[in-house]
Amino acid sequence: GAGVSQSPSNKVTEKGKDVELRCDPISGHTALYWYRQSLGQGLEFLIYFQGNSAPDKSGLPSDRFSAERTGGSVSTLTIQRTQQEDSAVYLCASSLQGPLGDQYFGPGTRLLVL
Amino acid sequence: GQQLNQSPQSMFIQEGEDVSMNCTSSSIFNTWLWYKQDPGEGPVLLIALYKAGELTSNGRLTAQFGITRKDSFLNISASIPSDVGIYFCAGLSGTSYGKLTFGQGTILTVHP
Repeated sequence: GAGVSQSPSNKVTEKGKDVELRCDPISGHTALYWYRQSLGQGLEFLIYFQGNSAPDKSGLPSDRFSAERTGGSVSTLTIQRTQQEDSAVYLCASSLQGPLGDQYFGPGTRLLVL
Repeated sequence: GQQLNQSPQSMFIQEGEDVSMNCTSSSIFNTWLWYKQDPGEGPVLLIALYKAGELTSNGRLTAQFGITRKDSFLNISASIPSDVGIYFCAGLSGTSYGKLTFGQGTILTVHP
């Protein structure tokens, strides 16, 4: 079956521009997660959705980062006024059983801010 | 906050050799997960462990959930070239609401 999909796979943007990253979870998975992977920081949790609500936003690095999920499916991560330190791979994962379920990852979006 | 220490950071082995890597934590986890990541791809789930002391196999892979709930190891037997990649441990606690805490990764290189 289809796994987690993310788009775009690569994004190059200029400092100060806004970007939107999209995640389509595995069909039927109620929980969705965003992580960031960078050389210096490894894999970092950003935000968790259960359905359309986000019980845990603790990992969002600043108020320039926001995320939403509609219809209990697709999620969008938005970064406003991008900075060079935002350059990283943004990974999305989903799980069937909510916060205690096994998380399955998408291929990621590679963001480069020039 | 919670931290996972994963070792070794890298391994260079010959094809056919066995591999062992482990993770330790300063706090308790309820679930341990092991992932493999290939270049340009997302992490792929290899093994999930749910109970202290649990030993689980997936083909040539074997992983154990430590009885203290603060550690886990992954063994790969009879390594092959396609085992090359970065292996991550990840822990999930009962209070973390889905927030996986990851180890730093073990880079595995297998020489034919």
